[in-house]
Amino acid sequence: VQLLESGGGLVQPGGSLRLSCAASGFTFSSYAMDWVRQTPGKGLEWVSAIRGSGEITYYADSVKGRFTISRDNSKNTLYLQMSSLRAEDTAIYYCAKDTSGFPMYHFDCWGRGTLVTVSS
Amino acid sequence: EIVLTQSPGTLSLSPGERATLSCRASQSVSSNYLAWYQQRPGQAPRLLIYGVSIRATAIPDRFSGSGSGTDFTLTISRLEPEDFAVYYCQQYGASPYTFGQGTKLEIK
Repeated sequence: VQLLESGGGLVQPGGSLRLSCAASGFTFSSYAMDWVRQTPGKGLEWVSAIRGSGEITYYADSVKGRFTISRDNSKNTLYLQMSSLRAEDTAIYYCAKDTSGFPMYHFDCWGRGTLVTVSS
Repeated sequence: EIVLTQSPGTLSLSPGERATLSCRASQSVSSNYLAWYQQRPGQAPRLLIYGVSIRATAIPDRFSGSGSGTDFTLTISRLEPEDFAVYYCQQYGASPYTFGQGTKLEIK
């Protein structure tokens, strides 16, 4: 099982960024997937989840209305579209595999993370 | 929001010793949906325990979890050199799905 994130970088406040996560080694469509972020100050924070089918999505209040999670099961890829970015969104963003097709919100495989820095 | 408070912040022990890490929740954790993760420097977290006491795949049996309600414990029976890392608890019974601030296990 392997997860590989990409797309992080430096973006100005109010800007947008799209993260991707390429999955391999398991039946991608059978599992919900999540994004979790980590900062030195706030620690680990669950951000968003999507069912294996992709039909239903879930968000933390801190990102609701600004972030959109999606997946392409034909490409075994998870996405996080981030807009209206704020300084407090600066973090390492991890792609994480959930433990069933419906989000159970605990994660048995994590990617190595991609750093997002929001700064002018 | 359920706040998870881990103690101690830092634990200094020697290889071969027993480690006991605590996680206290501000309210009862629903259905015992409590997990523990290990994070080594520069690496992503790794799931150790879920459902309070169920070891994840390939996790050695020196790791064990216990507790209920608001008080939970991760025990490492005999520390190996690779066990020195930061440990996080997480509750996944109620949104938002929160993590503790971590306990750093360091070599004495």
